[in-house]
Amino acid sequence: DTEVTQTPKHLVMGMTNKKSLKCEQHMGHRAMYWYKQKAKKPPELMFVYSYEKLSINESVPSRFSPECPNSSLLNLHLHALQPEDSALYLCASSPGMGEGYEQYFGPGTRLTVT
Amino acid sequence: QQPVQSPQAVILREGEDAVINCSSSKALYSVHWYRQKHGEAPVFLMILLKGGEQKGHDKISASFNEKKQQSSLYLTASQLSYSGTYFCGTEHTGGYNKLIFGAGTRLAVHP
Repeated sequence: DTEVTQTPKHLVMGMTNKKSLKCEQHMGHRAMYWYKQKAKKPPELMFVYSYEKLSINESVPSRFSPECPNSSLLNLHLHALQPEDSALYLCASSPGMGEGYEQYFGPGTRLTVT
Repeated sequence: QQPVQSPQAVILREGEDAVINCSSSKALYSVHWYRQKHGEAPVFLMILLKGGEQKGHDKISASFNEKKQQSSLYLTASQLSYSGTYFCGTEHTGGYNKLIFGAGTRLAVHP
């Protein structure tokens, strides 16, 4: 089973709201990722967690706050977002940390900030 | 550091072949290939590692020229299901799972 699940599928939020995106995998993967994808663009890496510790933060604004409660779960907490943050947010996981591991993507959460 | 993909778009008839290229100006450890259909998640196709190892889809072939930092994805006898946007993702030595994706190649296969 190579499934990564994400909830919700769609989210509309105002600029003053606080919301969270959730990602789950049960493949025993040790690395998990958040990507942001704008229409007709490639995914852009935001954060990498390895063994439940944050290992990469690609200079993401603090209004995005990741959390990894355990090896299967990854959350992205959103607060005071801007309309330009509207995008598809993808979660991915890979079997290990280090080079040469494939990544499996979830279906994404389509976020609209009004 | 974003890899360069070419062509930007390809239109094929069913059964035709296509090659999608990906090149980097920086030394690579691996090249990953993904296909994304409209409104769906990227799907892993293949990974090519420095040293020659490959993992992935048994109906798709690809090559990795380590000296030129280039990879090519070969789609032969294309099917309608091959339609979508193909992304290469490059990983540099010491990059630790950090994939940088190319801009993508849009492939449309028509009957």
